[in-house]
Amino acid sequence: NAGVTQTPKFRVLKTGQSMTLLCAQDMNHEYMYWYRQDPGMGLRLIHYSVGEGTTAKGEVPDGYNVSRLKKQNFLLGLESAAPSQTSVYFCASSQELNTEAFFGQGTRLTVV
Amino acid sequence: GENVEQHPSTLSVQEGDSAVIKCTYSDSASNYFPWYKQELGKGPQLIIDIRSNVGEKKDQRIAVTLNKTAKHFSLHITETQPEDSAVYFCAALNSGGYQKVTFGIGTKLQVIP
Repeated sequence: NAGVTQTPKFRVLKTGQSMTLLCAQDMNHEYMYWYRQDPGMGLRLIHYSVGEGTTAKGEVPDGYNVSRLKKQNFLLGLESAAPSQTSVYFCASSQELNTEAFFGQGTRLTVV
Repeated sequence: GENVEQHPSTLSVQEGDSAVIKCTYSDSASNYFPWYKQELGKGPQLIIDIRSNVGEKKDQRIAVTLNKTAKHFSLHITETQPEDSAVYFCAALNSGGYQKVTFGIGTKLQVIP
């Protein structure tokens, strides 16, 4: 049972570089989310998707873009990385709005 | 918007003792309150949840209580074990679901053998 899988697990970027984080879920869930986790701030929503081909902004979307071309995949892009984007990123999915959300294992990103 | 406060930020208990983590919320429209456990190096995992039409829910050693009038809900872990050591997050959701979720900042629980 894979659940939600994130790639990569760790990454170090230089300021200005770009990268894409991949999230894949095998539960046929409609809803997918990208959160960032910073010390003392809990989880904050970056972007989300309510179905294939749809995306929307969350609480902290600046500097990030997303795409959901296939129902099972949700990609998070950083076009020009900044040190403020150093964080742990979590992808999650849920079948309905107010039910259990399943999280990936996280991606630790450091921007130097 | 919703504001969720979680206390304490750290908690140490002896193995076998009980642990209680409390959260308060501000939005009276919130109607779903999940609790997540995050072990070191892993993603959060749901351990128990409660909906606004229920006052208490139990699952073995874990229980959650909800007081809608006071707008607070609590996680109770009895007979704690070393494997309960982790960070616990509460959350409050309204009809907007995880698009509008507000998480607490987390409680680091340490169970001392």
